[in-house]
Amino acid sequence: DAKTTQPTSMDCAEGRAANLPCNHSTISGNEYVYWYRQIHSQGPQYIIHGLKNNETNEMASLIITEDRKSSTLILPHATLRDTAVYYCIVRSRNTGGFKTIFGAGTRLFVKA
Amino acid sequence: ETGVTQSPTHLIKTRGQQVTLRCSSQSGHNTVSWYQQALGQGPQFIFQYYREEENGRGNFPPRFSGLQFPNYSSELNVNALELDDSALYLCASSNRDLVIDTQYFGPGTRLTVL
Repeated sequence: DAKTTQPTSMDCAEGRAANLPCNHSTISGNEYVYWYRQIHSQGPQYIIHGLKNNETNEMASLIITEDRKSSTLILPHATLRDTAVYYCIVRSRNTGGFKTIFGAGTRLFVKA
Repeated sequence: ETGVTQSPTHLIKTRGQQVTLRCSSQSGHNTVSWYQQALGQGPQFIFQYYREEENGRGNFPPRFSGLQFPNYSSELNVNALELDDSALYLCASSNRDLVIDTQYFGPGTRLTVL
């Protein structure tokens, strides 16, 4: 079973910030939070990852709560091309086989 | 572009046949993970190869097997194909020797079993 819980779908207006939540209440101390997105049957695209500090890159920002039990991916200015399924994953290099367990993800619809 | 390539792009087989899918990892990576993604679902972990050895396996039967070569490219072999094996097969490469071993995915191979 996936170790994360995400809403099934979300809508966002083009140009506005998209805030995608993720719950990972059973996260272990050495597990990182990763976000990927998948656009219509392409391979998942890496977006960002973090351990306990907030992170920002050219694609997005990741906000992780102090207790690390949840996080939010922020796309600051969503475009139509950001319409995709977004996966929140927790994983650790110490997990046997580095197994990465994907849930069903959040289907984000960006509307004009 | 991640630098991870997969071949073929699409493949059609019939039940009972065998199939081999290929993955070339990104330069500098020594680990390849394989995933199966059925329509409308998230990717499911099949197994991982690290420096030519299987390093972990998901809940898939033995007819799913793999190889990793000295150049760290990899193959996924599926014997005795079943209809339910129809899916998008993804490989992801990473460098397990790093503290943060981010996985980068290829474009996938779409397998249809008739």
